[in-house]
Amino acid sequence: KQEVTQIPAALSVPEGENLVLNCSFTDSAIYNLQWFRQDPGKGLTSLLLIQSSQREQTSGRLNASLDKSSGRSTLYIAASQPGDSATYLCAVRPPRQAGTALIFGKGTTLSVSS
Amino acid sequence: DGGITQSPKYLFRKEGQNVTLSCEQNLNHDAMYWYRQDPGQGLRLIYYSQIVNDFQKGDIAEGYSVSREKKESFPLTVTSAQKNPTAFYLCASSRVEVGELFFGEGSRLTVL
Repeated sequence: KQEVTQIPAALSVPEGENLVLNCSFTDSAIYNLQWFRQDPGKGLTSLLLIQSSQREQTSGRLNASLDKSSGRSTLYIAASQPGDSATYLCAVRPPRQAGTALIFGKGTTLSVSS
Repeated sequence: DGGITQSPKYLFRKEGQNVTLSCEQNLNHDAMYWYRQDPGQGLRLIYYSQIVNDFQKGDIAEGYSVSREKKESFPLTVTSAQKNPTAFYLCASSRVEVGELFFGEGSRLTVL
């Protein structure tokens, strides 16, 4: 059964620092991987979607990479800001024939201090 | 603006009562999902639907029911059979069954 792990569970950094959030998954047979942001008491906001055939995706200060063979993805945040403080979740989608619902990690809660 | 609307945002229920959470999307998405989020547990899938009049159970479907009579709507009923219903409920949708997933703002249910 596919499992998704995010380490660390919490991270605190000073403003301006570049940082990397990690996501690992046990079964390399995935259809795609998606990164989300969640603010307290709110729904999830999609940040980046990486298809299984892609190595990385970029959006502004965010860059997500995917290494399917090793079961890992990273989310790189450049020049962090206090507004980046939130919980970041990654989720993998199993192959089409295995069902289509995303499987989520428990998230990394990021705190950026000014 | 296109999006996913969940209502109510907060809901209180007495034990033994059924409650229905609404989820409406105007994104013209085919697939819709219900997740439950508990502190320290991550998101767990309750039900999902890929097309109208069809839906599948997720990992924790016991005590819940859904319907998909219209493409835009996917209501979730939390029945009295659900042993621990207090949680944050999230509805999501995607254009196709393997597309990018988008979420609503969530509904927080508290059982008194």
